[in-house]
Amino acid sequence: AQSVAQPEDQVNVAEGNPLTVKCTYSVSGNPYLFWYVQYPNRGLQFLLKYITGDNLVKGSYGFEAEFNKSQTSFHLKKPSALVSDSALYFCAVSPRSYNTDKLIFGTGTRLQVFP
Amino acid sequence: GAVVSQHPSWVICKSGTSVKIECRSLDFQATTMFWYRQFPKQSLMLMATSNEGSKATYEQGVEKDKFLINHASLTLSTLTVTSAHPEDSSFYICSAGGRVESSPLHFGNGTRLTVT
Repeated sequence: AQSVAQPEDQVNVAEGNPLTVKCTYSVSGNPYLFWYVQYPNRGLQFLLKYITGDNLVKGSYGFEAEFNKSQTSFHLKKPSALVSDSALYFCAVSPRSYNTDKLIFGTGTRLQVFP
Repeated sequence: GAVVSQHPSWVICKSGTSVKIECRSLDFQATTMFWYRQFPKQSLMLMATSNEGSKATYEQGVEKDKFLINHASLTLSTLTVTSAHPEDSSFYICSAGGRVESSPLHFGNGTRLTVT
């Protein structure tokens, strides 16, 4: 079965420190991978995507993610965290398309950045 | 700016009544829209896939007669929660795709439904 795993329910990091939010996936073929962020009582905002090419993908708000095919991982990273980065982050995969197909979401990781 | 508009952002209704939630793609034609439901502190659960001009495809376990989906135009999909009950209280989010090839799915800001 196709699935996305985010092993950490919550990640705590001090402001200014680097952050990593982990994501692994189990999808056949070459999936399209995404990260979305959700602020309280809001929808999801797109951060970045991996379709093909360079394994290091840069996205919005200084976030980046590294695609690792052998480990089937797509971890989200940021060199220096901000308090305003505190939110709920979702990793998602689309088996066939990056703009028309449904997404399979991970369970989400709450990022808490402390001042 | 927002490319998918969802309305209302919140609604409170009495048990037994029906509630309609609208999802609009603002500046593009969305051939496909998706409806998700999110429980507190949980991930998004896909409810159904809405295709313009055809019947929606519901995920397993989602009651199609309770959650009516209509995608009458390329810019509008609606979700109607019929005969709502307190257990239907949740956060409902729509998403739309098909804008341009390089653009991923865009999400509405969600609707908080509270059934009393």
